[in-house]
Amino acid sequence: EVQLVESGGTLVQPGGSLRLSCEASGFAFITYWMSWVRQAPGKGLEWVANINQDGSGSNYVDSVKGRFTISRDNAENSLFLQMNTLRAEDTAVYYCLRGGYYPDFWGQGTLVTVSS
Amino acid sequence: EIVMTQSPATLSVSPGETATLSCRASQSLSSDLAWYQRKPGQTPRLLIYAASTRATGIPARFSGSGSGTEFTLTISSLQSEDFAVYYCQQYHIWPRTFGQGTKVELK
Repeated sequence: EVQLVESGGTLVQPGGSLRLSCEASGFAFITYWMSWVRQAPGKGLEWVANINQDGSGSNYVDSVKGRFTISRDNAENSLFLQMNTLRAEDTAVYYCLRGGYYPDFWGQGTLVTVSS
Repeated sequence: EIVMTQSPATLSVSPGETATLSCRASQSLSSDLAWYQRKPGQTPRLLIYAASTRATGIPARFSGSGSGTEFTLTISSLQSEDFAVYYCQQYHIWPRTFGQGTKVELK
């Protein structure tokens, strides 16, 4: 059974940092692109970043470029999102996705709240 | 960035009827379009990719069509479990973008 379990979401102050993790199981993690998508309260879905199979290539939406870094550890079947200089507008549920084009599996999400 | 516009925002349909959902892109996608179904409290489920290819395990009553900038998701003989929000998403260029969704509700 495919499972994606996110963790790391919490309340953080503006300007702070946070690292999200996604533990994958039930499939050959190393063969898939992986992605992070977020949904702010009352807003639509926004694709934040994706990363290729060996971690050598990644893409970011403009609003997080220079602040967020996506990475992966294929030995540990894990995906990460390092988020720095957080802003109120980064408040959202962050989902880990299997795939970089049309993801076929989503985690349940982890809530990040940026507020003082 | 490619803007995805879905219509209508809400579609009221009776069980057994056919629902037709539209998705328009601000520039050509070729066929690089996916459709997702999302039910309350659940994460999106991939229905269609490459505009018309059903994902694994998706019933034949779901069909996708279109290319370029105009796409359609058709749900034939609507079942009770099909009442949900449907999103289109383009993967032609980065950043990937989603439509705002169409809610299919019970008439």
